[in-house]
Amino acid sequence: DTEVTQTPKHLVMGMTNKKSLKCEQHMGHRAMYWYKQKAKKPPELMFVYSYEKLSINESVPSRFSPECPNSSLLNLHLHALQPEDSALYLCASSPRGVSYNEQFFGPGTRLTVL
Amino acid sequence: ILNVEQSPQSLHVQEGDSTNFTCSFPSSNFYALHWYRWETAKSPEALFVMTLNGDEKKKGRISATLNTKEGYSYLYIKGSQPEDSATYLCAFIGSSGGGADGLTFGKGTHLIIQP
Repeated sequence: DTEVTQTPKHLVMGMTNKKSLKCEQHMGHRAMYWYKQKAKKPPELMFVYSYEKLSINESVPSRFSPECPNSSLLNLHLHALQPEDSALYLCASSPRGVSYNEQFFGPGTRLTVL
Repeated sequence: ILNVEQSPQSLHVQEGDSTNFTCSFPSSNFYALHWYRWETAKSPEALFVMTLNGDEKKKGRISATLNTKEGYSYLYIKGSQPEDSATYLCAFIGSSGGGADGLTFGKGTHLIIQP
């Protein structure tokens, strides 16, 4: 299995809702990443988990809460989001921590906050 | 905030022609540079990971060079085909504290190959 999967593909939520995005890989990779991508802009790094520990948090607001329950799974818990948080959320993985390794990306979750 | 610039922003090329575009990045605290291809409705796909000044990498008709001293990388596509149409992203990894920082992406070059 050489792919990164993300669920759901699309998500519409209100500002008071709590939802979660899920990312999974079975390539034995030990680093996983969350990116946010707004239209016509490049992906922006949000979080990096390395060996199941949070190693980089790019000053992301606390309404986004990452979780790495095991080396194959990465969640992003969402609570009290704002309409400006609407974006494509991409997950990626790489064999080891942020290093010389290429990253393997999932297809993304398209999030709309009403 | 790191400045990773790509030019041109978009490019129309006739099928069969060769083309190239640029990624410029900070020349200090360099760790690695990645190139990705992102086709519409698909996931970004890694093309190259470049780490050493003077690196040249090749994958089929696509190649890339790296100059870390002056802070730029070129991506070349030889004999463009319609399937090369995509957005090409470069991503800079710096090293501010000894280890690697996260990736900072450029805005991409949107390449359209016209039959």
